[in-house]
Amino acid sequence: QSALTQPASVSGSPGQSITISCTGTSSDVGGYNYVSWYQQHPGKAPKLMIYDVSNRPSGVSNRFSGSKSGNTASLTISGLQAEDEADYYCSSYTSSSTLEKVFGTGTKVTVL
Amino acid sequence: EVQLVESGGGLVKPGGSLRLSCAASGFTFSSYSMNWVRQAPGKGLEWVSSISSSSSYIYYADSVKGRFTISRDNAKNSLYLQMNSLRAEDTAVYYCARDGTFGFGDYWGQGTLVTVSS
Repeated sequence: QSALTQPASVSGSPGQSITISCTGTSSDVGGYNYVSWYQQHPGKAPKLMIYDVSNRPSGVSNRFSGSKSGNTASLTISGLQAEDEADYYCSSYTSSSTLEKVFGTGTKVTVL
Repeated sequence: EVQLVESGGGLVKPGGSLRLSCAASGFTFSSYSMNWVRQAPGKGLEWVSSISSSSSYIYYADSVKGRFTISRDNAKNSLYLQMNSLRAEDTAVYYCARDGTFGFGDYWGQGTLVTVSS
């Protein structure tokens, strides 16, 4: 149950695009199309931004997109806005039961 | 509107016990698997435990296995986490989160703080 690996921080200027990686193994990220991404502002609960690798829940901006290649998933934020400054976490299922999960280490996104 | 409201957090001494509750409303609670997730102060998210809709399947993170017990009461629309043999490293905000239409964590509670300290 080792945490998935994310960069500690990513930054970009307003309007730019940034990408956050989430690296696991064939037992989690690479083994299932069940990668999710969450946004967390300070003092708040996490908010689901992407599920099943690349799907957006209703209400989430289309500036957020997800993808996966092998054991690495990615979240791209395009047209960066000040309100996107937050912590971002990926998660994956770790077994075919879909009940066991693991989170990424988290990435602080800074809008310059 | 889906709502998840945690309660039961507080200050407890090392070795002590605490029971967290999560009251669910706005959806058919008995149809969904549920989870506990925690976040230590200034740290990242950590999955703690999951329980299937009928309680048939239960999983724990290695860090809490043998000390924590997840359960649910579908008649009361409630999720629980019994925490025993608490350690300082269990200090965290504990969230309940649903496995929903959009997968893991489509809805979250506001969290309840557990502090383990002498």
